[in-house]
Amino acid sequence: DAKTTQPPSMDCAEGRAANLPCNHSTISGNEYVYWYRQIHSQGPQYIIHGLKNNETNEMASLIITEDRKSSTLILPHATLRDTAVYYCIVRDRNSGNTPLVFGKGTRLSVIA
Amino acid sequence: DAGITQSPRYKITETGRQVTLMCHQTWSHSYMFWYRQDLGHGLRLIYYSAAADITDKGEVPDGYVVSRSKTENFPLTLESATRSQTSVYFCASMGTGSYEQYFGPGTRLTVT
Repeated sequence: DAKTTQPPSMDCAEGRAANLPCNHSTISGNEYVYWYRQIHSQGPQYIIHGLKNNETNEMASLIITEDRKSSTLILPHATLRDTAVYYCIVRDRNSGNTPLVFGKGTRLSVIA
Repeated sequence: DAGITQSPRYKITETGRQVTLMCHQTWSHSYMFWYRQDLGHGLRLIYYSAAADITDKGEVPDGYVVSRSKTENFPLTLESATRSQTSVYFCASMGTGSYEQYFGPGTRLTVT
């Protein structure tokens, strides 16, 4: 699976959009981009995933560049409860249910 | 209750003791995983299982033993606990063909 690079930390004002970047320049055609988050002391939680089209669900939006070498997770109206570590993971969907490989992620602090 | 549960939630043990951490899921997911998370670090995979009686090593398997006699249970045993195994342990499960891993609440283990 391709390696990802994320900034170690970011701040965001409450109510503003949080844009979390992820670089995955070695991503291959069969690899999806997944985002998980981990709120303090809890297990990670799935947020969203995508292949090449932009995706949106009730939690977030995922914007993937046309060359697929980077992506951005957008939390449109960040709240204090969105403070967490966000993990960007690239994984080949066709490889079966192989385990996710977690990097160090981005620690997002939402500030009142 | 439906979901994935771990027990105990907190455990203190002495060096050299055997400890078993339990994980139970009610979805009949084929895949189950054990991760450890050390302070300030991301999650590292210890072992995983694709089905009952099928297990594979992850990134950091040394010092751990797993079994999967039933689909819903995936216990993790530390045969002779060491201080370096002080960590938070997360269990997760995933259905075949799914893209989402569901994580348990974690077990905080301290080895003195």
